[in-house]
Amino acid sequence: QVRLQESGPGLVKPSQTLSLSCTVFGGSIRNDDYYWSWIRQHPGKGLEWIGYIFYSGTVNYSPSLENRISISVDRSANQFSLKMRSVTAADTAVYFCARVRTVWSGSGSYSRVAHFDSWGQGILVTVSS
Amino acid sequence: QSALTQPASVSGSPGQSITISCTGTSSDIGSYNLVSWYQQHPGKVPKLLIYEVNKRPSEVSNRFSASKSGNTASLTISGVRAEDEADYYCCSYGGGSTLVFGGGTKLTVL
Repeated sequence: QVRLQESGPGLVKPSQTLSLSCTVFGGSIRNDDYYWSWIRQHPGKGLEWIGYIFYSGTVNYSPSLENRISISVDRSANQFSLKMRSVTAADTAVYFCARVRTVWSGSGSYSRVAHFDSWGQGILVTVSS
Repeated sequence: QSALTQPASVSGSPGQSITISCTGTSSDIGSYNLVSWYQQHPGKVPKLLIYEVNKRPSEVSNRFSASKSGNTASLTISGVRAEDEADYYCCSYGGGSTLVFGGGTKLTVL
């Protein structure tokens, strides 16, 4: 049973960079059937997809955040990370990391990200001076 | 990329069936059978209920079912119970290999 665990500072100052890591336990991040994703939830609000990464380094970001974020992978540590630049109070949220199951085409020539089947516990990040 | 549209709230009495809709566009729900649904109790982690429109993980009760028609997906809970009171989110694969969530629906069991 895979388990994901977020880590990082719970408090970030405005205009600084938010940095979070997600460690994957009980399974390898090197798996062709999964991508690895970040999702956030503002206090009292809904879920917002941030982006995902494949173990090879292929990434895809939410258009609304792509100019401020980067997601990277450390295969040796079985981790992936999120960096978000120039944060403001509007970035205060619970940040979840999650595993994304892919669905392969009938020919097996390509896959698409499909659903989040395992989640970390989430980490509250507050942006405040 | 706009969020999928869900009703803010629905309610039902124990034993009743309720349905939550999730409306997208021809670029997401309408084009792909990659709709999933999640249940989130307050302060808890979202839990996968449904994937690929209507498939249910083995550990999820068969009281939860889902379907899709055109640009709209639907989640139905049969025989609603008090423990079903939670927030429900739909999610779809969309254009540009992105993922998009609905705004969430709060289910109140009367």
